[in-house]
Amino acid sequence: GESVGLHLPTLSVQEGDNSIINCAYSNSASDYFIWYKQESGKGPQFIIDIRSNMDKRQGQRVTVLLNKTVKHLSLQIAATQPGDSAVYFCAENLQDDKIIFGKGTRLHILP
Amino acid sequence: KAGVTQTPRYLIKTRGQQVTLSCSPISGHRSVSWYQQTPGQGLQFLFEYFSETQRNKGNFPGRFSGRQFSNSRSEMNVSTLELGDSALYLCASSRGPPNTEAFFGQGTRLTVV
Repeated sequence: GESVGLHLPTLSVQEGDNSIINCAYSNSASDYFIWYKQESGKGPQFIIDIRSNMDKRQGQRVTVLLNKTVKHLSLQIAATQPGDSAVYFCAENLQDDKIIFGKGTRLHILP
Repeated sequence: KAGVTQTPRYLIKTRGQQVTLSCSPISGHRSVSWYQQTPGQGLQFLFEYFSETQRNKGNFPGRFSGRQFSNSRSEMNVSTLELGDSALYLCASSRGPPNTEAFFGQGTRLTVV
């Protein structure tokens, strides 16, 4: 079916540590995946994307890993900062260009 | 470069009324998508418009409708409002299919009382 989900609703990470947010998707035909960050009172903000012909993509302090074998997506944030506190959504772009979002993971930064 | 603009930011309506929300995409973007965000259901896809045509539609009742104008601006309408329609309605714009980065507006917070 069409579903994208996140393993953990809340993740608490010590400031300075690396954060890893996971996501499972169910549609093996999906060819484009996106991570969004949503801060309180704001709309989702694009972080990084990856196409199905890749298994890793790096941005500034962020890395997305795609494992098509187990249909798993992860977002790694290096040296987590207080400003990284937000809800993170993975999204799956289906073949008809419909985007399905996961439920979201709240990232909480511990001082 | 201006971002995606949604108006109004906040709205309070009574059950049974209808409401129209507006979205102005980023200049040059021809695709506009609408989402409903609630604490219980998360972000749910409503519909997508590209060049004034609805390309995709989510699983929402016919009370939810939308349209796109020739300048790519889009409106969504909800008729016969129900309490459960209270949500943050988000609009996202992109250059167009396939698979292009979408930019979201800040949303319209609709409260139905």
